[in-house]
Amino acid sequence: AQTVTQSQPEMSVQEAETVTLSCTYDTSESDYYLFWYKQPPSRQMILVIRQEAYKQQNATENRFSVNFQKAAKSFSLKISDSQLGDAAMYFCAYKSSGTYKYIFGTGTRLKVLA
Amino acid sequence: GAVVSQHPSWVICKSGTSVKIECRSLDFQATTMFWYRQFPKQSLMLMATSNEGSKATYEQGVEKDKFLINHASLTLSTLTVTSAHPEDSSFYICSASTGTGLGTEAFFGQGTRLTVV
Repeated sequence: AQTVTQSQPEMSVQEAETVTLSCTYDTSESDYYLFWYKQPPSRQMILVIRQEAYKQQNATENRFSVNFQKAAKSFSLKISDSQLGDAAMYFCAYKSSGTYKYIFGTGTRLKVLA
Repeated sequence: GAVVSQHPSWVICKSGTSVKIECRSLDFQATTMFWYRQFPKQSLMLMATSNEGSKATYEQGVEKDKFLINHASLTLSTLTVTSAHPEDSSFYICSASTGTGLGTEAFFGQGTRLTVV
């Protein structure tokens, strides 16, 4: 079975600075998708960025980018020029090519300091 | 992006009663919907997957007779918590997608906070 691990329960970053959130996963599948979701206080899950395992190029969405290391089964999220609105719970998620189910990590709470 | 609306946002019910939560895809046809449960400060745990017109597939440990899921149309799925008890109090989230393919994106509702007293 696949697992997703987020080892940082909480992180803090100064406004305008850069922060990296860690995520590792375990799987025997060769194709899958990885996601970062943001859950603000409103509890609405918002897709931040996604990466297909077969694509070697790291995904980028404006201030958000990932460092995808397939061999190491690592999928970290980098947030550049952090803004107060980035404060939220961030979940790393794995989508299985076998079951198409999403498996979520335990989350990292990001605090942005003004 | 696609919008998924979940209703109600919060509900309080008495122990022993049943509660229905609706999940609607507003601007797309959702052939697949997922129901999750989220405990305070914890991750989302998949409860069940439903495909339109078919019976839901429940995850191990989830009581299908307690958590009734109906996906009668391409835009609506419902989760009914039957004979609710305080331990069923939780945050329930649905997500909907146009299919189960690896590349299809799932869109989330805003969640429902259920409190059983």
